[in-house]
Amino acid sequence: KAGVTQTPRYLIKTRGQQVTLSCSPISGHRSVSWYQQTPGQGLQFLFEYFSETQRNKGNFPGRFSGRQFSNSRSEMNVSTLELGDSALYLCASSLLGVAPDEQYFGPGTRLTVT
Amino acid sequence: KQEVTQIPAALSVPEGENLVLNCSFTDSAIYNLQWFRQDPGKGLTSLLLIQSSQREQTSGRLNASLDKSSGRSTLYIAASQPGDSATYLCAVRPRPSGGSNYKLTFGKGTLLTVNP
Repeated sequence: KAGVTQTPRYLIKTRGQQVTLSCSPISGHRSVSWYQQTPGQGLQFLFEYFSETQRNKGNFPGRFSGRQFSNSRSEMNVSTLELGDSALYLCASSLLGVAPDEQYFGPGTRLTVT
Repeated sequence: KQEVTQIPAALSVPEGENLVLNCSFTDSAIYNLQWFRQDPGKGLTSLLLIQSSQREQTSGRLNASLDKSSGRSTLYIAASQPGDSATYLCAVRPRPSGGSNYKLTFGKGTLLTVNP
């Protein structure tokens, strides 16, 4: 069974631009969560989607948004990029997103904002 | 608000040594605690998951313990090897309440270097 895949793996953008990252969950998984990892803040929860609906949201500005499609694939979008958005963005999938599901992480997308 | 702390932030040991990584959390109302490994620039690999009702879990040379009442967990690595060099992260999962309980709270990790 294929694992969680994320595209692209690496991305370089300029301040002020916007970016879209993609996550394909494990087949059959319907919950997708997104995390941002930076050296200073560590791993922080962005949001979680289930059946095309956002169920949980972390403490991030409105520039960060996401969506989920009917096939459970998810995208996250960051508008008006800032230098501080440079990070590793990880997504994770699980069957239903509730106990006792386990969460499986993808390899991440490394975003660099210049 | 749940906070997770990992001590030490970095650890360097010679090959073959046994070592302990520490994780503490402020809110004991957790569903489970999970230890992950992260290699440089890569995603997370789950090592051990301990349910809140359990005291420990073992996998090969790894043993994780959980003391929920004191808000502590330890990851014990026996006979360390250079291939164990990585960042080790612990994460707590809250108890289900309504919708999903997948807002994991992570510590900042311990960077382990095992020298040959």
